[in-house]
Amino acid sequence: EVQLVESGGGLVQPGGSLRLSCAASGFNFSNYWMTWVRQAPGKGLEWVANIQRDGSEKYYVDSVKGRFTISRDNAENSLYLQMDNLRDADTAVYYCARWLVAGHNWFDPWGQGTLVTVSS
Amino acid sequence: DIQMTQSPSSLSASVGDRVTITCRASQSIDNYLNWYQQKPGKAPRLLIYAASTLQTGVPSRFSGGGSGTDFTLTISSLQPEDFATYYCQQSYSTPPLTFGPGTKVEI
Repeated sequence: EVQLVESGGGLVQPGGSLRLSCAASGFNFSNYWMTWVRQAPGKGLEWVANIQRDGSEKYYVDSVKGRFTISRDNAENSLYLQMDNLRDADTAVYYCARWLVAGHNWFDPWGQGTLVTVSS
Repeated sequence: DIQMTQSPSSLSASVGDRVTITCRASQSIDNYLNWYQQKPGKAPRLLIYAASTLQTGVPSRFSGGGSGTDFTLTISSLQPEDFATYYCQQSYSTPPLTFGPGTKVEI
């Protein structure tokens, strides 16, 4: 069974840092792009970042550029999101998802999410 | 960036109703359009990709259509488990990959 499990969320003060992890299982992790998507409380979905299969290409939404870093460890089947200089607006549930790129592209499956709360 | 809009933002329907949700892109995206379903407190789930291709395991009462800028998600006979929020997402121009604001289907 393909599964993604996020961890690392929690309460952090503005300006602080947090590192999210996503453990993948049930598929050949190194063969797939991966992504982070977030959802602020009561709001819609926002794509945050993508990373290529070997980590050589990374893309970010403008609002997190320079503050967030996506990375992966294919030997450990793990995806990460290092979040620095956090702002109130970064409060959200963060989902990792597999990004299937095959002509068309889509997110499937998604993890259960981990909540990040930025507040003083 | 490509902007996505959805209408309506919410709707009320009954079990057995036919429901159609519309998604519009700010520029042509060919058929690079995906649909997701999200239930409260749960992760989104892929329903349809490439505008009209049903993901494995998704009931056939769901269907998608459209190309260019205008797309639809139709539920032919609404079931109790279909009450959820539905999001469209364009995958034509990346980054960024943009989602619509969502349509909440309520009883």
